[in-house]
Formats: sequence, structure tokens, C-alpha cells
Amino acid sequence: QKEVEQDPGPLSVPEGAIVSLNCTYSNSAFQYFMWYRQYSRKGPELLMYTYSSGNKEDGRFTAQVDKSSKYISLFIRDSQPSDSATYLCAMSLGSGNTPLVFGKGTRLSVIA
Amino acid sequence: SAVISQKPSRDICQRGTSLTIQCQVDSQVTMMFWYRQQPGQSLTLIATANQGSEATYESGFVIDKFPISRPNLTFSTLTVSNMSPEDSSIYLCSVTRTEQPNYGYTFGSGTRLTVV
Repeated sequence: QKEVEQDPGPLSVPEGAIVSLNCTYSNSAFQYFMWYRQYSRKGPELLMYTYSSGNKEDGRFTAQVDKSSKYISLFIRDSQPSDSATYLCAMSLGSGNTPLVFGKGTRLSVIA
Repeated sequence: SAVISQKPSRDICQRGTSLTIQCQVDSQVTMMFWYRQQPGQSLTLIATANQGSEATYESGFVIDKFPISRPNLTFSTLTVSNMSPEDSSIYLCSVTRTEQPNYGYTFGSGTRLTVV
């Protein structure tokens, strides 16, 4: 079993749809959870971050962490064509220079 | 936030040759990280480069294949040596974020390498 599992998609939705992206993980010691967005020919950029369990909202984006289920989610409301990208979940045991463990990424296409 | 310039952005190389990838950061950072992103795979950490010391390699990666230099606090290079088609991948350098949150990394744009 890989440490972090993420459905690679691709996922195609119409503009305005609610998108749900998910990852599961096996190491219960993970404390920091992140979502990165990667556009084609670009490096990943940090989109959302959460420490431990709970929800976090930023505009159209909501990140959820359920440590009891070892499950994290990213929701995108009112999806836009500009949201078309690959979304990678990542997590770490600590802050600072602690290495990240990534999922494979989910490729999302939002169709106008 | 730190800005990372990575060169070249892409290259097509013959098998058996070597390619050196450069990573320049606009601020001084203690640690720089090199990742590989193979098609359909997650980002995998190759090594961590500290200025003034030998790089630390992750399991499955060796210095002879991926030598790293870190001459100062703003620059690093990764060389992919004696390349084979299996080395075709995106190579990314990254640094610890300099702004909140203080976890997670800032990444360069990557080098897309194709070995033929």
C-alpha cells in the first residue's frame, strides 16, 4: 500500500460545477496537509494548507482533513476553466524542512 | 515568497550523455530540494542539498547518477548522468517556504527532460 493514494483521473466537469478531490493516506503520524495546483509546464504552487483535522475555506476552495479516517478532500465551488490543472495532495510529519509525501495528482478539466 | 529560476526548461538528450540543471533562488536559503516527477507518478524527493555539506540522497538515488552541487546559499545544480530513457521526467528544485505557513515548499517551474 502506497503511503498516499490519489485517483489520477482525468476528471472533466462543466463550468460552475462543484469539484471534489480526495486523497487517502496510511501514516497516522502525518500532521500537515496541503493541496498543490500545477498548471501545464509549471511547478506546483501551494493552494491550501491545513494543520491536523478540520476544515479550511479560502474563497471558492475548501480543504477538509479527517484524521480518524485518514482522508483529505479539496472542494472547488463554482469551478472555472482557469481551474483546469493537476491537483496534488501532499502531507508531512512536521513543519520547516520536513519532507513532503505527495499523491500522484488528479488532472482536472473544467469545460466552458 | 522566494522566486526560483530553473534552467533549462526542457531538453532532449541522447542516451549516455549528462545534463546539468541549474536552480537559482532570489533569496538565501539553507536547504534546497530536488524532486523528480515521472509521468503518472507522484513527486519523489531525490536529495536535499545543504550549503557547505554533501547532499543527502533518498533511497534509490545515488550520487554517481545524480551529483549535486551547492556552492552558495542561492544556487544549486543537479546533474543527471549517463542518461537512459528511464530518466525521462520532470525535475524540480524547491525550497522551504519563506512565508506562512512555514511548511510545504516553493517549487521552480521544472525541467522537462526527454532521453532518446
